[in-house]
Amino acid sequence: GAVVSQHPSWVICKSGTSVKIECRSLDFQATTMFWYRQFPKQSLMLMATSNEGSKATYEQGVEKDKFLINHASLTLSTLTVTSAHPEDSSFYICSASSLDPGSEAFFGQGTRLTVV
Amino acid sequence: DAKTTQPPSMDCAEGRAANLPCNHSTISGNEYVYWYRQIHSQGPQYIIHGLKNNETNEMASLIITEDRKSSTLILPHATLRDTAVYYCIPNRVLTGGGNKLTFGTGTQLKVEL
Repeated sequence: GAVVSQHPSWVICKSGTSVKIECRSLDFQATTMFWYRQFPKQSLMLMATSNEGSKATYEQGVEKDKFLINHASLTLSTLTVTSAHPEDSSFYICSASSLDPGSEAFFGQGTRLTVV
Repeated sequence: DAKTTQPPSMDCAEGRAANLPCNHSTISGNEYVYWYRQIHSQGPQYIIHGLKNNETNEMASLIITEDRKSSTLILPHATLRDTAVYYCIPNRVLTGGGNKLTFGTGTQLKVEL
């Protein structure tokens, strides 16, 4: 099946620094990718929709200036957590679908962010 | 988006069939029923999806009631590696691709010896 690769798998950073997470579709093109966040013992929550060549669409309550999304090509979307704080510590997951109508979503393996 | 109701947890003996129910009584006519699972600390994995007819693949079978208000995911011979949270998600595929999924709380399936 299709593969979505996320990098890094885990990262520890200091408060106030920024962290970039990459999401790549390895064998298909995706005009749209999605970013989710998951806190311990909770379900995935959609943060934003990443659109190739245009601005991302953020869900209510998600700060666009804090979570910068760039979707510069049909196979790469990046999420940058700016000025990270301990409360940003979470499991971040991306997903992508091919352009085929009805295609299922494929998820990256997730990135565990710990802000100290 | 349609809301779903799933039991919070289920246990299953290894080798037995695991039947995971989902109620989606408010599903729209153009929404598919997708099933995903998430093994601890990993990204979700696609299992199967269907619209009206029952579906089967190498992983599982999906039984959708005639009124489409509920469905059941069947893992025919559960193994320990099937221990995961299973999510039932009604979803309308966006035009031009893209699968914006709304995750509920899912069912924690525990497969035991």
